Amino acid sequence: DTGVSQDPRHKITKRGQNVTFRCDPISEHNRLYWYRQTLGQGPEFLTYFQNEAQLEKSRLLSDRFSAERPKGSFSTLEIQRTEQGDSAMYLCASAPGQMADTQYFGPGTRLTVL
Amino acid sequence: GENVEQHPSTLSVQEGDSAVIKCTYSDSASNYFPWYKQELGKRPQLIIDIRSNVGEKKDQRIAVTLNKTAKHFSLHITETQPEDSAVYFCAASLAGGTSYGKLTFGQGTILTVHP
Repeated sequence: DTGVSQDPRHKITKRGQNVTFRCDPISEHNRLYWYRQTLGQGPEFLTYFQNEAQLEKSRLLSDRFSAERPKGSFSTLEIQRTEQGDSAMYLCASAPGQMADTQYFGPGTRLTVL
Repeated sequence: GENVEQHPSTLSVQEGDSAVIKCTYSDSASNYFPWYKQELGKRPQLIIDIRSNVGEKKDQRIAVTLNKTAKHFSLHITETQPEDSAVYFCAASLAGGTSYGKLTFGQGTILTVHP
């Protein structure tokens, strides 16, 4: 296992289009997080999964954003009707069972909305 | 919610000097404090972390100190090398309650080590 992977690495889309990103966590990590990072800022929390259950969502996550982790393994993040303000790096992180454990980040998906 | 402030925003040092980055947090219940290094275009990578039951932790040239009373923690890098140049982020996490271990990050420090 080489760590957390994300696909695609880059996505360019036109405003109004829908996009979907995938995250594959480290195997046996039951906690999965999504963060968003804009240029020059630290990552901001978006949402969290414990196995397949989505347990927390940030107020940053508008109703255009939806995330799933159907089998408690990989996760998808979908953005509907993209806006230019959605342009950012979307990072996924996974962690083992204890809540105060290290989170390992994926390489991110860089989204550009034209 | 938790708020993390990080200073300085940029730090320039000569190779071999020490570098110190400081962070303060607002929620006294936070109990896990990692530091991440992020090189341009790459993923954040954990370099060291500390839990609230410990005041100091060291790993070779890197050390972190935690003052729970003052709610601040610091990263110390000694004998800096050009490959230490990167953006460094501190973060705080609250285990328990409804936060589920989510990380709240500082704004980042751009460290430049000049040869």
